[in-house]
Formats: sequence, C-alpha cells, structure tokens
Amino acid sequence: EAQVTQNPRYLITVTGKKLTVTCSQNMNHEYMSWYRQDPGLGLRQIYYSMNVEVTDKGDVPEGYKVSRKEKRNFPLILESPSPNQTSLYFCASSLPGKVTEAFFGQGTRLTVV
Amino acid sequence: QQPVQSPQAVILREGEDAVINCSSSKALYSVHWYRQKHGEAPVFLMILLKGGEQKGHDKISASFNEKKQQSSLYLTASQLSYSGTYFCGTQPTGTASKLTFGTGTRLQVTL
Repeated sequence: EAQVTQNPRYLITVTGKKLTVTCSQNMNHEYMSWYRQDPGLGLRQIYYSMNVEVTDKGDVPEGYKVSRKEKRNFPLILESPSPNQTSLYFCASSLPGKVTEAFFGQGTRLTVV
Repeated sequence: QQPVQSPQAVILREGEDAVINCSSSKALYSVHWYRQKHGEAPVFLMILLKGGEQKGHDKISASFNEKKQQSSLYLTASQLSYSGTYFCGTQPTGTASKLTFGTGTRLQVTL
C-alpha cells in the first residue's frame, strides 16, 4: 500500500530536549516536505527536499533541521524544542514537477512543555 | 506568502451549495485543492493548471482564473461526508514543486 509513515503520532517533551520525528515513504517520490498546522494559520511549510542531499527552507524553518540521506526518509529534527513549536506536523511526498498530488502522513502532534 | 481563502468557515444544511475561494498575490502555475477531516491527514481532491480550466470530481468542481490568480471550489448538493477543512495550495510560476497552502476553510454540513 502506498503510504507516508510518520513516527511518533503523539509526543510530549520538555523544552530543550532534542527530538526527531521520522518520515518514510514507499512510493519512490523525489519530493518531500514538512508542514506544521496551527489553528487559523493553515499548513505552513517548514522545509522541503527535491531529492537526496537536496534540501531547502520553506516559510517557517527557524528552530528546525532536516536531512535527506536516503530517498525514502526525511526526518525532522528539533535541536532545542521550545513551547512555540507545539503544533501538529505533517510530512508529505510527491513526484517532482508542478502537476503532482501530494501524499500526506498521518501527522505528529507535538507538545513542548 | 500564503494564499488567502474565504470564507474562513461555513455551515450548510445537507443539499445546499457552497463556494470556497482562494486568492494569491503571485502569478500561478497551478492550484491544488485538499480536504482534511478532523484528526486526519489532508487528502487530495484535484489540481488545476493555468489556462483557465475547470475540473469536476463527483459533485465537487473547481475553476481557475489565472489572470486574477484566483480559484474557486464549488460543492453542489452537499452531503454530510463533505464536512472538513478545505485547503487550497498554490504553485507560483517558476518555482518547481513548492506548494504553499492557504489558511483553510472549515465546512460543516448538518442535517
């Protein structure tokens, strides 16, 4: 089954404790991205990757890191999480180009206390 | 910059129609529409390309006016299953693959 898998689904952590949210897709998609969803603000892009070893900042990259060492995986790293990073996070993947559908993971609800 | 969606929220009775608008300040190559049900991931509905095309998907259709950088999503004879938050996503001309989403429109269909 074609899917994007995120882990964990729920995470509560403390300020400053490094964490990683994993994202994996089995569709051989080149393009992957991370979004955060906050009430009233919609989906805002954090980082995206056009292919292995190619990443770029989205609209709200501050406080986040990503890596793309393999085509299927695109982890999101919070080196020192802060309460303003409490949010619902989605990973998405698609084929490259302008006319392709984005497939989303099930989301990770992160709470930083 | 995020595209602007309107209205922010709408409540319908089953069988009524609704229109959701999406407007961008940039010249657009394409517009995507997604629906997200509560607690779930967004799901793709359709893509419209510049050229002013219109698409349909069951009783949900959309149009794209590239001159105005606007798209509209039309929900006809709404069903309870249409409830959710609708997002438009825009791809400006010249930026490969980057997809920017709007703030969403929450649609609730009641009996």
